[in-house]
Amino acid sequence: DAGVIQSPRHEVTEMGQEVTLRCKPISGHNSLFWYRQTMMRGLELLIYFNNNVPIDDSGMPEDRFSAKMPNASFSTLKIQPSEPRDSAVYFCASSSTRVGEQFFGPGTRLTVL
Amino acid sequence: QKEVEQNSGPLSVPEGAIASLNCTYSDRGSQSFFWYRQYSGKSPELIMFIYSNGDKEDGRFTAQLNKASQYVSLLIRDSQPSDSATYLCAVNSNSGTYKYIFGTGTRLKVLA
Repeated sequence: DAGVIQSPRHEVTEMGQEVTLRCKPISGHNSLFWYRQTMMRGLELLIYFNNNVPIDDSGMPEDRFSAKMPNASFSTLKIQPSEPRDSAVYFCASSSTRVGEQFFGPGTRLTVL
Repeated sequence: QKEVEQNSGPLSVPEGAIASLNCTYSDRGSQSFFWYRQYSGKSPELIMFIYSNGDKEDGRFTAQLNKASQYVSLLIRDSQPSDSATYLCAVNSNSGTYKYIFGTGTRLKVLA
């Protein structure tokens, strides 16, 4: 199995630009999570989907952030407009409800100048 | 009070020693507990999970859970330099969902 796939691996953009991060979960997993990791705040859950439906988006910092999961094999996290304080590593993880453990993708390192 | 707390470290231990990593959590309803290891610049990877009070052993790793005291720990026996990483404690606070709350992690350094 290929594991969780994320793209791009690195993104450098300028303040005000739109950023779209992509994730393909492990086939057969029905839960998908988006996290943000920074030195100051650690690993924070942004949003969680179950069977393609957003269950908990309480971690989304503000309206500039949005996430979608149009089907079981694809999700996006969009930031519009981006700000320097959004600079972080964004991880996508997936899980099978049968087991509960989460498998993380390699992450996208986002730098907003 | 943070929901899941860990000492940030670094925790330094000599090669071959036992490393003890601790985590406390605030939600008494928590059901599942996970330890992840994260090497610098990499993604977290699961080491162990534990659901019941007591000890669970897997190779050099032992997870210990005490729900009454609301703590979970990870022991690493015969520590190796390759164990040097950040260890993240994660707690599933709401049974029926798989939402984790992560601690900020403890950085472990194993000195050769």
